Amino acid sequence: RKEVEQDPGPFNVPEGATVAFNCTYSNSASQSFFWYRQDCRKEPKLLMSVYSSGNEDGRFTAQLNRASQYISLLIRDSKLSDSATYLCVVNGGGGADGLTFGKGTHLIIQP
Amino acid sequence: GAVVSQHPSWVICKSGTSVKIECRSLDFQATTMFWYRQFPKQSLMLMATSNEGSKATYEQGVEKDKFLINHASLTLSTLTVTSAHPEDSSFYICSADSGTGYRETQYFGPGTRLLVL
Repeated sequence: RKEVEQDPGPFNVPEGATVAFNCTYSNSASQSFFWYRQDCRKEPKLLMSVYSSGNEDGRFTAQLNRASQYISLLIRDSKLSDSATYLCVVNGGGGADGLTFGKGTHLIIQP
Repeated sequence: GAVVSQHPSWVICKSGTSVKIECRSLDFQATTMFWYRQFPKQSLMLMATSNEGSKATYEQGVEKDKFLINHASLTLSTLTVTSAHPEDSSFYICSADSGTGYRETQYFGPGTRLLVL
């Protein structure tokens, strides 16, 4: 079983629409959760951390369900510049740990 | 935010040669650096954790004698792909932990694209 699973997409969404991505993780001991964004041929960049209480940053809302080991990302009023691959990322242990990445969900915002 | 650089940004080499990739934290000291590899349409996979002044910790399936890691200072880690073969062609990305105690303080370098002919 893969450690972090995501629907690879692509999700083709019209500009201005709302889109949601989901992700599941297998390690119940995981402690930190993130969404990263990766543009084509570039390094991943942190979009936002995900907290148990849910958190919002502008048009982006992230939620975590520890019981179901499930993470979500909601993008409202999508922009053309939101087109990218969104990576669900989990950090499992104590101290400084490497991150475990999902394969990513490819989002294409269409004009 | 903090800046991590990698050099070179891309390299093309012949099969059998060794390639060294540098990862530098430019404005902070990184006790720990991580090396990842990403094949096309795949997720980033952690290869090894590099700790300053000690031996790197390799993930299962990553050959430590093939991927040599040196973390000689708090701002520099190097990854050397020895006797590179075409199957080593990939996107290699490093990240550095600023050690502030927050898990999200990992900063990624821009990556190095390696093509082995």
